[in-house]
Amino acid sequence: RKEVEQDPGPFNVPEGATVAFNCTYSNSASQSFFWYRQDCRKEPKLLMSVYSSGNEDGRFTAQLNRASQYISLLIRDSKLSDSATYLCVVNMGYGNKLVFGAGTILRVKS
Amino acid sequence: DTGVSQNPRHKITKRGQNVTFRCDPISEHNRLYWYRQTLGQGPEFLTYFQNEAQLEKSRLLSDRFSAERPKGSFSTLEIQRTEQGDSAMYLCASSLAGQTQETQYFGPGTRLLVL
Repeated sequence: RKEVEQDPGPFNVPEGATVAFNCTYSNSASQSFFWYRQDCRKEPKLLMSVYSSGNEDGRFTAQLNRASQYISLLIRDSKLSDSATYLCVVNMGYGNKLVFGAGTILRVKS
Repeated sequence: DTGVSQNPRHKITKRGQNVTFRCDPISEHNRLYWYRQTLGQGPEFLTYFQNEAQLEKSRLLSDRFSAERPKGSFSTLEIQRTEQGDSAMYLCASSLAGQTQETQYFGPGTRLLVL
């Protein structure tokens, strides 16, 4: 079983749609959680950290469910510029390495 | 530009050759990480430094790979006797230790192709 699992997609949605991604992680001792965005042939860039109480940043909402060991990302009012790969990332708590999911591809179409 | 920088951005080499990549972290960051990413996968951790000390190495880092951060600033990653399976994007990231939700910032990567 992979340490961090995501649905690879692609998710093809029209502009203005709401889309949600889920991610599960294997280590219950994991300490911190993130969503990164990666554009084609570019480096990953931090989209948002994920806090236990859930958090929102504009059109983006992240949730953490420690009991079920899953993380979600909700994107409202999708824009063409949201098209990218969204990486679910977990700091498993041993060492300081990040463990990445394989990414979920989002394509927003006009 | 005050972000993480990496050089070269692209490298094409023949199997069996040695290659070296450089990473310059964000100046005040004391932690530096190397990751490798292949097509369709997320980045995989290779190694990390706190200041000049190499604190963790992945099992992915075979004996042909070595990383250094001699003065606690820039870092180099060397691959000896390259193999075609080493073809990947090599990403460097840096962070500042001690933050509650410590965030790693990535450089643009070095794309390696081994022929």
